[in-house]
Amino acid sequence: EVQLVESGGGLIQPGGSLRLSCAASGFTVSSNYMTWVRQAPGKGLEWVSLIYSGGSTYYADSVKGRFTISRDKSKNTLYLQMNSLRAEDTAVYYCARGRQWLIDYWGQGILVTVSS
Amino acid sequence: DIQMTQSPSTLSASVGDRVTITCRASQSIGRWLAWYQQKSGKAPKLLIYDASSLESGAPSRFSGSGSGTEFTLTISSLQPDDFATYYCQQYNNYSTFGQGTKVEIK
Repeated sequence: EVQLVESGGGLIQPGGSLRLSCAASGFTVSSNYMTWVRQAPGKGLEWVSLIYSGGSTYYADSVKGRFTISRDKSKNTLYLQMNSLRAEDTAVYYCARGRQWLIDYWGQGILVTVSS
Repeated sequence: DIQMTQSPSTLSASVGDRVTITCRASQSIGRWLAWYQQKSGKAPKLLIYDASSLESGAPSRFSGSGSGTEFTLTISSLQPDDFATYYCQQYNNYSTFGQGTKVEIK
């Protein structure tokens, strides 16, 4: 059974850094396209970042240069390193597996709150 | 960037109604479009991919159509479990979601 479990969220001050983790089971992270999507409180879904099975990475303009997606093959885990956080980064962050750019499985989400 | 616009933003309907939601792309995306259902406080679930293919496990009352810039999601007979928010997503060029359509009880 495919499972994705996010961790690492919480309250962080503006300008701070946070690393989200997504532990996967039931499939191999490094063999799949993996995505981060976020949803601000009461708002819609926003695509954030994707990593190809081959390792290429892509980012939304809103996070480019501040966020980094990566993975650890030995831990079967996906990461999102978030630096220079802003109030507008406050959201539930979902880790997701893709069939290329299509998303077929989502984690339960983790809340990141950027506030002083 | 490709923009996705859904209509309506909110839809009030009754159990048994036929419901249609529209998604328009700012430029042609071929058939690279998906539909997701999201219930309050939960992660989205994939319903339709490649514009009209039903995801395994999704109820057959859901169907999708369209190509190019205009797409529709149809629920043939609305069930109590279907009251939720629906999002379209283009995956032709990176990924963009529509703003969502909330289906409410009339």
